[in-house]
Amino acid sequence: DVKVTQSSRYLVKRTGEKVFLECVQDMDHENMFWYRQDPGLGLRLIYFSYDVKMKEKGDIPEGYSVSREKKERFSLILESASTNQTSMYLCASSSGTLSGANVLTFGAGSRLTVL
Amino acid sequence: QKEVEQNSGPLSVPEGAIASLNCTYSDRGSQSFFWYRQYSGKSPELIMSIYSNGDKEDGRFTAQLNKASQYVSLLIRDSQPSDSATYLCAVNRGNTPLVFGKGTRLSVIA
Repeated sequence: DVKVTQSSRYLVKRTGEKVFLECVQDMDHENMFWYRQDPGLGLRLIYFSYDVKMKEKGDIPEGYSVSREKKERFSLILESASTNQTSMYLCASSSGTLSGANVLTFGAGSRLTVL
Repeated sequence: QKEVEQNSGPLSVPEGAIASLNCTYSDRGSQSFFWYRQYSGKSPELIMSIYSNGDKEDGRFTAQLNKASQYVSLLIRDSQPSDSATYLCAVNRGNTPLVFGKGTRLSVIA
């Protein structure tokens, strides 16, 4: 069964800590995305990548960075975690084909709490 | 700012009824339209896509698109309690990431 795997399901961190959220997909997808989902605010795009070493800012990139050194892995980094970054983080991937680019496969999510 | 608007609900329908979920979008250049379903505590999954004006049917689900009115809807016939979930409308313009609405919570009452 094809999957998008997020390394941590639940994390609790302290304000100011550096946080790494890892995402790995086994579908050989070109496109990868990081969203956060908050009640009443829906899914908001943080960063995305259409190729290895490539990254683009989404709608809310402030306070985040990403890394894509390998095709299958897309990491989200919170350089200095703050309480307003407490959220559910969802990684997704899709193929680079015209028909498949919008068929997002999501990971199970990482619920981050920053104290 | 591209926007996708949905009524947050909850939309409550009795079992066996038709559930109608609506979505409007602001970007007139939008080309592709999608409905994702998200069960409580789970991740979204794609259930329907539609690209041209009119209706597209898939089992109990029908997606409807009216580009002139910038309106897309999802009808669920013979609603079942297992259809209770949040339904996310998503649109995009060519080779750009999807823009999601905030979702409509559907509750099907047995």
